[in-house]
Amino acid sequence: SQQGEEDPQALSIQEGENATMNCSYKTSINNLQWYRQNSGRGLVHLILIRSNEREKHSGRLRVTLDTSKKSSSLLITASRAADTASYFCASLNTGGFKTIFGAGTRLFVKA
Amino acid sequence: KAGVTQTPRYLIKTRGQQVTLSCSPISGHRSVSWYQQTPGQGLQFLFEYFSETQRNKGNFPGRFSGRQFSNSRSEMNVSTLELGDSALYLCASSNGQTSGANVLTFGAGSRLTVL
Repeated sequence: SQQGEEDPQALSIQEGENATMNCSYKTSINNLQWYRQNSGRGLVHLILIRSNEREKHSGRLRVTLDTSKKSSSLLITASRAADTASYFCASLNTGGFKTIFGAGTRLFVKA
Repeated sequence: KAGVTQTPRYLIKTRGQQVTLSCSPISGHRSVSWYQQTPGQGLQFLFEYFSETQRNKGNFPGRFSGRQFSNSRSEMNVSTLELGDSALYLCASSNGQTSGANVLTFGAGSRLTVL
């Protein structure tokens, strides 16, 4: 399979709690990105971390990258019901032309 | 600036037919990538075009093909449709520069149902 793995596959939390999603990828990468998808619509870019970075923050999002383990994690702090969506990690290969997506984590935030 | 536009949004075909999907990228973006999304397989990379050239291709049979025009608009075609081709087909555009981050901007998708 082209894809990386994500876990958990699904996550259900209460509003205000933090949500952590993990992703593993298979090849050498240029960067790793996280995207969000609402109800089978198009994906929206959230945050990008380059292969020489270890941690990145953007608002309530924090992403980490461990290239030695080929893994990344996305933390959403103080989650809201509006964060309910599917979240995908995506790795851009070092050739630069192919972005491969993980299987996704479905997040449900209960109000 | 206008987003990525995909047409048609929904379509129903029968087995054996063919289908053509269209994607208009964001103005100035020269790279267009196509993905197939199904509940069982997730997002699978189909191909990527830049300046009318296919630069990369996923692991799909030859029934899946694409092209890009000089204005960067892209089409993908699936011939001899099978039930398993039912999926959401997503197009994404980017500036496509090899030195860039290649952040993808997605269209809303074309949902294909094969009966």
